[in-house]
Amino acid sequence: TQLLEQSPQFLSIQEGENLTVYCNSSSVFSSLQWYRQEPGEGPVLLVTVVTGGEVKKLKRLTFQFGDARKDSSLHITAAQPGDTGLYLCAGANNFNKFYFGSGTKLNVKP
Amino acid sequence: DADVTQTPRNRITKTGKRIMLECSQTKGHDRMYWYRQDPGLGLRLIYYSFDVKDINKGEISDGYSVSRQAQAKFSLSLESAIPNQTALYFCATSDHRDTEAFFGQGTRLTVV
Repeated sequence: TQLLEQSPQFLSIQEGENLTVYCNSSSVFSSLQWYRQEPGEGPVLLVTVVTGGEVKKLKRLTFQFGDARKDSSLHITAAQPGDTGLYLCAGANNFNKFYFGSGTKLNVKP
Repeated sequence: DADVTQTPRNRITKTGKRIMLECSQTKGHDRMYWYRQDPGLGLRLIYYSFDVKDINKGEISDGYSVSRQAQAKFSLSLESAIPNQTALYFCATSDHRDTEAFFGQGTRLTVV
């Protein structure tokens, strides 16, 4: 059983469309990270959110941490083919153990 | 050079063989982790170490063992490899003062 559930698992959209990826858990985390992984590479950190209700923006990407620090969302505006990849959320507890979601595989078609 | 280096990058081995995957880091981090990635399952924690003398089991430690030879080195061993250990293995590091994990490029292991 995954501690963190991500949805959707797969997403195939056209360039220019908007999308939202969700990361949900019944557990509270001290922080939550979003990573992006490309084929043949390890995950690379996009953002860390720490405070309940926090919103962070990274160009066309908007990340939100739920008020109760149990869930998060990643919204991409005007997706581009370069956004294609596997998006992983990870929750960290106070002891720096990282629990990963199952990932959302995004394909943005030109 | 990569901050977190895994060797080998690819390995094919036979059932029953012992195999070791190695990880070294130049980030000076105290914490190191081994994860396994299977399609549709994200990354699952095998073992983690918060310091040289500290070793802890993760979610799926059965069939694996680890050794923290130095602060910069953390190796993962499969004593007797079996086909369902075929997966992508990642080493990661973090600093106790931070929440970010840095990953190696992964080792693709196939057990036939």
